[in-house]
Amino acid sequence: GAVVSQHPSRVICKSGTSVKIECRSLDFQATTMFWYRQFPKQSLMLMATSNEGSKATYEQGVEKDKFLINHASLTLSTLTVTSAHPEDSSFYICSARYPAGRTDTQYFGPGTRLTVL
Amino acid sequence: GDSVTQMEGPVTLSEEAFLTINCTYTATGYPSLFWYVQYPGEGLQLLLKATKADDKGSNKGFEATYRKETTSFHLEKGSVQVSDSAVYFCALSETGNQFYFGTGTSLTVIP
Repeated sequence: GAVVSQHPSRVICKSGTSVKIECRSLDFQATTMFWYRQFPKQSLMLMATSNEGSKATYEQGVEKDKFLINHASLTLSTLTVTSAHPEDSSFYICSARYPAGRTDTQYFGPGTRLTVL
Repeated sequence: GDSVTQMEGPVTLSEEAFLTINCTYTATGYPSLFWYVQYPGEGLQLLLKATKADDKGSNKGFEATYRKETTSFHLEKGSVQVSDSAVYFCALSETGNQFYFGTGTSLTVIP
């Protein structure tokens, strides 16, 4: 159980375009999902916490208008990189919290490799 | 604040060698501790976890014991295989929301 999927796995886009990445919890409901960014050979950087039915909470230094997050259902959160630029190229990983409670765990999606030309 | 310090890599071992990856943490409360593994081009997979002091997490031959007295959660495996080559991340969480990750340790196992 506790499987998280992401789509697409890879995307290449032109500078100035917008890209949407989907994160789905396949076999459980996730009221909270998380979006991370990972630079080559580095650890994960938490970008934002996505809450179903409410606005996302962004970490300091992350531009809300550039990285739009929508968590419209208990199994789907989306991250839209708007007006992408080459410096936005990165590996984006989502995770979902399961089950609720103090000892819960985050389960991660397989990641999306974004390349902006 | 909470943080995780992880042994820097890269680590290169021969097949069947013993593995230890050190991890120490700083926390204000009583966190849960995790080890995640990331294979090339993939997301993170939960390897094992421990939720309280003296707990031992284990999976696929890997083990780690939650040591409150030394604030450590070192990852060990008695005999590594080529398929264990990956990046390993130590992490902690006090609430299940905010996760703090170490910088990751790259392991390469050679035949």
